[in-house]
Amino acid sequence: DAGVIQSPRHEVTEMGQEVTLRCKPISGHDYLFWYRQTMMRGLELLIYFNNNVPIDDSGMPEDRFSAKMPNASFSTLKIQPSEPRDSAVYFCASRGQENNEQFFGPGTRLTVL
Amino acid sequence: AQSVTQLDSQVPVFEEAPVELRCNYSSSVSVYLFWYVQYPNQGLQLLLKYLSGSTLVKGINGFEAEFNKSQTSFHLRKPSVHISDTAEYFCVNKFYFGSGTKLNVKP
Repeated sequence: DAGVIQSPRHEVTEMGQEVTLRCKPISGHDYLFWYRQTMMRGLELLIYFNNNVPIDDSGMPEDRFSAKMPNASFSTLKIQPSEPRDSAVYFCASRGQENNEQFFGPGTRLTVL
Repeated sequence: AQSVTQLDSQVPVFEEAPVELRCNYSSSVSVYLFWYVQYPNQGLQLLLKYLSGSTLVKGINGFEAEFNKSQTSFHLRKPSVHISDTAEYFCVNKFYFGSGTKLNVKP
């Protein structure tokens, strides 16, 4: 298995632009998580899905952020409009039912100018 | 509510010395405890986990951790560290992360 795949790996955009981050979980995993990592706030859980259904989105910073999981093999995290304070590394992780271990993707480094 | 507290933000240590990275958790429900490691500019990798059973858990790279229910702790230990252990270590309960501890191993 290729592991969790995230794209793009790096994104540089200007304030006000829409940003879409993508994630492909490990096949057969039914949980998917989006995290954000910054120096100031560390690793924050933004949202997680179970069987494509959002379970807890209390970590989503504000209405500018939205996440979808249209099917078991794909999820997006969208920021519209983006702001400089959104600059961070965004990680996607997936997990199966058996052992609770999360497998992380390589992350997307987002820079909003 | 679940939370994870990592008491030390940075731990400097000399090579071949022992190290302990502290973690305390709070939870009113079952715990699923993990330690992850993040090497510079890389993603996160599982070191070890405790779901149930033996309270002493052994992981990769010579690390181990002990689940202590009475003290609500899950401290990470290694008897002799290497330069290559320099990284940030995260204690996790279920899917809630602690703030991380940066381990800096000096020659």
